[in-house]
Amino acid sequence: AQTVTQSQPEMSVQEAETVTLSCTYDTSENNYYLFWYKQPPSRQMILVIRQEAYKQQNATENRFSVNFQKAAKSFSLKISDSQLGDTAMYFCAFGPDNTDKLIFGTGTRLQVFP
Amino acid sequence: DGGITQSPKYLFRKEGQNVTLSCEQNLNHDAMYWYRQDPGQGLRLIYYSQIVNDFQKGDIAEGYSVSREKKESFPLTVTSAQKNPTAFYLCASSIGYSVNEQFFGPGTRLTVL
Repeated sequence: AQTVTQSQPEMSVQEAETVTLSCTYDTSENNYYLFWYKQPPSRQMILVIRQEAYKQQNATENRFSVNFQKAAKSFSLKISDSQLGDTAMYFCAFGPDNTDKLIFGTGTRLQVFP
Repeated sequence: DGGITQSPKYLFRKEGQNVTLSCEQNLNHDAMYWYRQDPGQGLRLIYYSQIVNDFQKGDIAEGYSVSREKKESFPLTVTSAQKNPTAFYLCASSIGYSVNEQFFGPGTRLTVL
């Protein structure tokens, strides 16, 4: 069975600092997609960043970047220059290439302190 | 504005009553999904639909039913058979065809008294 594991239930970081959220997954697929979603207190899920498994280059979106290690099945999210608005739940998700479904991890609650 | 709407934001029902949650999208997406979110458990897939008039069970379909009569709409009915229906429910949609990226609605908080 395909699974996604987020081993850090809660994390905190000071404003302007850098934080890394961990995600590992288990699959026998070779082609797939990986996502990080943000869920702020409003509970609206927002896509932060996506990575295609066939791309070796790590995806970046402004202050957000990933460290994708395909052999290790690891997909961590780095948030640079943390802002108060980054306070949210962050979910890692895995999507096999042959299906539209996503498998979500249990989430990491990130608190950014001033 | 294109997007996904869910209504109502908060819903209260008595135990034993069926209740229907609304989900509408104007993104022209083929695929739609229903998730349940409980504290500490992430998002769990209830039902999904890849095309009109067709849908499949997800991981926790027992006690729920859906319909997909129109491309834009994917209502979820929480039946009295669902033993623990109090939760936050999220609807999502995607282009389909294995693109995977899903867009989410604002959610409905269902409380059964």
